[in-house]
Amino acid sequence: EVQLVQSGTEVGKPGESLKISCKASGYTFTNNWIGWVRQMPGKGLEWMGIINPSDFDSRYNPSLQGQVTLSVDRSISTAYLQWSSLKASDTAIYYCARPETGISLISHWGQGTLVTVSS
Amino acid sequence: ETVLTQSPATLSLSPGERATLSCRASQSVSVLLAWFQQKPGQAPRVLIYDASNRATGIPARFSGSGSGTDFTLTINSLEPEDSAVYYCLQRGSWPWTFGQGTKVEI
Repeated sequence: EVQLVQSGTEVGKPGESLKISCKASGYTFTNNWIGWVRQMPGKGLEWMGIINPSDFDSRYNPSLQGQVTLSVDRSISTAYLQWSSLKASDTAIYYCARPETGISLISHWGQGTLVTVSS
Repeated sequence: ETVLTQSPATLSLSPGERATLSCRASQSVSVLLAWFQQKPGQAPRVLIYDASNRATGIPARFSGSGSGTDFTLTINSLEPEDSAVYYCLQRGSWPWTFGQGTKVEI
């Protein structure tokens, strides 16, 4: 069974760094890209970026370029989303998801990680 | 960026009725469009992919149609558990984009 299990709720201060994780299981980690989706409080969904665990190729939504970094650790089948300097506007729920290749199917999602940024 | 515009913003219907949700793209996405259902406190769940293919385990009352720029999600015989926000997502061009959502109230 494919599973994406995300790290728990985070609370940070503006200017702090933060890294959240998404651990994959039930499939060969390098066979599929992993993506991240943001949902700000009471708002819709926004696709942030995707990363290919097999060659570390990554694509970012231009609206977020430079604000976050995607990475993976293939040895533990885990994808990461990180910030070097949090802002209050980063407060959101973040989902990881596994898009299928070549079709628009995205069946597998993490449970979401709530990040709250407040001074 | 391909902008997806969903309508209506809210749909209030009774059990047993049919819901028709629209998603229009600012440029062609071919058939690379999916529909998701999201309930409060839950991750999105895929209903339809590639415009008209039902995902595994999705009831037959959910159907999708369209190609290019105009897409429709139809929910026949609405049930109370269909109350949710529905989003379309295009994967025709990067960045992938979601519509703003349609809230369905039963």
